Amino acid sequence: GAGVSQSPSNKVTEKGKDVELRCDPISGHTALYWYRQSLGQGLEFLIYFQGNSAPDKSGLPSDRFSAERTGGSVSTLTIQRTQQEDSAVYLCASSFIVDSNQPQHFGDGTRLSIL
Amino acid sequence: GDSVTQMEGPVTLSEEAFLTINCTYTATGYPSLFWYVQYPGEGLQLLLKATKADDKGSNKGFEATYRKETTSFHLEKGSVQVSDSAVYFCALSDRVNQGGKLIFGQGTELSVKP
Repeated sequence: GAGVSQSPSNKVTEKGKDVELRCDPISGHTALYWYRQSLGQGLEFLIYFQGNSAPDKSGLPSDRFSAERTGGSVSTLTIQRTQQEDSAVYLCASSFIVDSNQPQHFGDGTRLSIL
Repeated sequence: GDSVTQMEGPVTLSEEAFLTINCTYTATGYPSLFWYVQYPGEGLQLLLKATKADDKGSNKGFEATYRKETTSFHLEKGSVQVSDSAVYFCALSDRVNQGGKLIFGQGTELSVKP
């Protein structure tokens, strides 16, 4: 597609359930990033992929969070045993290559609400 | 570690007023600097960038100059419009072993009144 696509756009789930968030980057972009936007913490980096590899997972808040990327394209972010503090907007971005000079193109995000 | 600090909002201005949003950074390497904007109900969009000291980024009437001596990247616009109402984020990406990840400031909400 023309831009970064994320699904679902909204997700409401009960505490303790697992959720999967999907990101479809811009075609041809090898770098893919996940961020989280919450009221208390602002915009935080979670993890990035170069191709299918994740060289930096340092932003994942706990071992309940994991992410994978297959075929150098679609990525899924999985949160297991969700907690109320996981409520946030999860943003995905992609860029042509992994490089600090490259602008990142963001999706519209998935708004996750944990009841 | 690397960090970005930007002025707190909300900032409320009248149309055609001059805008400055302050942004300072701390980085161990050689960062690239960015301003992203989030319009109401929309996703984050790149507004402008600068990749080395003394570079000036500009777009849509907005400007910011990479000042290494003051570690700053202040956003300016000479005459704001109602359509500029949005949240503005200053961000850096450090070239040294950072993989291009962005570190964001807290965001500054701008409201422009007619």
